[in-house]
Amino acid sequence: NAGVTQTPKFQVLKTGQSMTLQCAQDMNHNSMYWYRQDPGMGLRLIYYSASEGTTDKGEVPNGYNVSRLNKREFSLRLESAAPSQTSVYFCASNKPGQGAGANVLTFGAGSRLTVL
Amino acid sequence: EDKVVQSPLSLVVHEGDTVTLNCSYEVTNFRSLLWYKQEKKAPTFLFMLTSSGIEKKSGRLSSILDKKELFSILNITATQTGDSAVYLCAAETGTASKLTFGTGTRLQVTL
Repeated sequence: NAGVTQTPKFQVLKTGQSMTLQCAQDMNHNSMYWYRQDPGMGLRLIYYSASEGTTDKGEVPNGYNVSRLNKREFSLRLESAAPSQTSVYFCASNKPGQGAGANVLTFGAGSRLTVL
Repeated sequence: EDKVVQSPLSLVVHEGDTVTLNCSYEVTNFRSLLWYKQEKKAPTFLFMLTSSGIEKKSGRLSSILDKKELFSILNITATQTGDSAVYLCAAETGTASKLTFGTGTRLQVTL
């Protein structure tokens, strides 16, 4: 049972390069999220997808685009990477509902991105 | 703007000590308060709290929520070196289950 799988785990980019972080979940969750984690800043929401076919901006969306390819997959794209985007990126998913624990996020292992 | 503040930012204790981690929140459309433990990689879920005054307990860890004063605490008794981690709290808001995280408390348990 893989849960939430992110690729790549590590990536080094030069300023201006583009790349896509991939995320897939096998738990039949409806909602998926992309967070970034920086020292002293906690986890900040970049974009989320409440259900297949919808995406919405989070707290820090500038410089990113997302695609909810299907129910399983949610990708994050950096079109022109900047040093300020050096961070650890986490994908997460859940199946929002009324039951206890239904709104708990399951996180992927993270992708460490360095932009030089 | 939704805000979650954790204190202390970091803490060093000796094995066997009891620690209390604090989390206060100011958010709109509050639904629940969650605690996560983060070691090397992904945060792992500890507790979800929705009602005031009801303690949730798991082994040596316990947590409680005060919705009137807008805070939660996480207690760890008889700490062990394996408790060393960053502890994150997050407030869930709105219908899309968005979480606003605090910056975390880094706990180090020494022998």
